[in-house]
Amino acid sequence: QKEVEQNSGPLSVPEGAIASLNCTYSDRGSQSFFWYRQYSGKSPELIMSIYSNGDKEDGRFTAQLNKASQYVSLLIRDSQPSDSATYLCAVTPGNTPLVFGKGTRLSVIA
Amino acid sequence: EAQVTQNPRYLITVTGKKLTVTCSQNMNHEYMSWYRQDPGLGLRQIYYSMNVEVTDKGDVPEGYKVSRKEKRNFPLILESPSPNQTSLYFCASRLSGRDEQFFGPGTRLTVL
Repeated sequence: QKEVEQNSGPLSVPEGAIASLNCTYSDRGSQSFFWYRQYSGKSPELIMSIYSNGDKEDGRFTAQLNKASQYVSLLIRDSQPSDSATYLCAVTPGNTPLVFGKGTRLSVIA
Repeated sequence: EAQVTQNPRYLITVTGKKLTVTCSQNMNHEYMSWYRQDPGLGLRQIYYSMNVEVTDKGDVPEGYKVSRKEKRNFPLILESPSPNQTSLYFCASRLSGRDEQFFGPGTRLTVL
């Protein structure tokens, strides 16, 4: 069974610090990787997508992918209290359903 | 505005009373799906559809039905709701292939 594993947290970081969120996946055929942010009671919102090994940066967010290790991570620089949310990792081999992790709850403390 | 819409947003009903939650997208996406989200269990896929008239079961399909008669609409039907179907439901859509998936605003369902 295809699985995506995330530490449930909560991960607590002080304001201004770097938050590091990690995700491992079981399906070696996975080609597309996504990070979603979800505030309590709201729908998941896509914040990053990555398709090839290495780093991808977008503003304060950096996604890192290592297919050999089946590992994808999200770094949030200069963390703000507004970043406090649950972060969901999702993967897919392509034209098949996304498989989601259960999410990591991030708390940024002012 | 490109979006996925769901209705109703909130629903309280009683056991056994049939209900339908509608989902519509205006992005011409082939792929649509329904999820439920429960504390500690994460997002679990109920059903998905790769295109019109093509639907398939996800991880937790029992007690649910779907149809895909038009590309833009993907309603979720609960023929005889039970209290264990109390949950937060999300509809989502994407282009086929590896593109990003977009979620609707969610429907909070309570079955008494």
